[in-house]
Amino acid sequence: GESVGLHLPTLSVQEGDNSIINCAYSNSASDYFIWYKQESGKGPQFIIDIRSNMDKRQGQRVTVLLNKTVKHLSLQIAATQPGDSAVYFCAETPPNQAGTALIFGKGTTLSVSS
Amino acid sequence: NAGVTQTPKFRVLKTGQSMTLLCAQDMNHEYMYWYRQDPGMGLRLIHYSVGEGTTAKGEVPDGYNVSRLKKQNFLLGLESAAPSQTSVYFCASRPWTGGLFNTEAFFGQGTRLTVV
Repeated sequence: GESVGLHLPTLSVQEGDNSIINCAYSNSASDYFIWYKQESGKGPQFIIDIRSNMDKRQGQRVTVLLNKTVKHLSLQIAATQPGDSAVYFCAETPPNQAGTALIFGKGTTLSVSS
Repeated sequence: NAGVTQTPKFRVLKTGQSMTLLCAQDMNHEYMYWYRQDPGMGLRLIHYSVGEGTTAKGEVPDGYNVSRLKKQNFLLGLESAAPSQTSVYFCASRPWTGGLFNTEAFFGQGTRLTVV
């Protein structure tokens, strides 16, 4: 079946560096994408989303890039802080998806050392 | 405004026992979902509901049943628990926007279930 996946299971960075977390999706017709952050023992928390009619969206210290040509999504975190350490998931809503459910990738664990 | 609340937070079951996980949301959302999260597997959809009185199967529905008698509640039942159902369970809700656009889903804090 079609699914969203992440390129790397783990990413380690130094405090203050910029982090880039990547995600590949397989359904070219998906029209909505979200990045979630999950801290240990907690539920996923919304970070930023992007619709398929956009190729870039910025939030506070985060930027999401969407490349529909190669079906690639990335999350950029500027000036990474220890509090950014968590598992990051990308998720998509394929068209005609039952109940508009989000389909999740496997996640990337970001570790930030000071 | 509590958002999405899951009960209980932790539970240990013996093989063959039954239990019900409760999810409650106070945001008047139409859509509700149950996911399970296993190490290295991400979140997988078990069942979902698009409104009060309706439920449907997701990606991994076997061994689970659900009910949505009230709009704000979505119950997940395990009739005869198995060790393979040891997992962390997350409930989520999402508003209906008339089919015009999608929005984020809001998640509960999870229920950690161990079946021995």
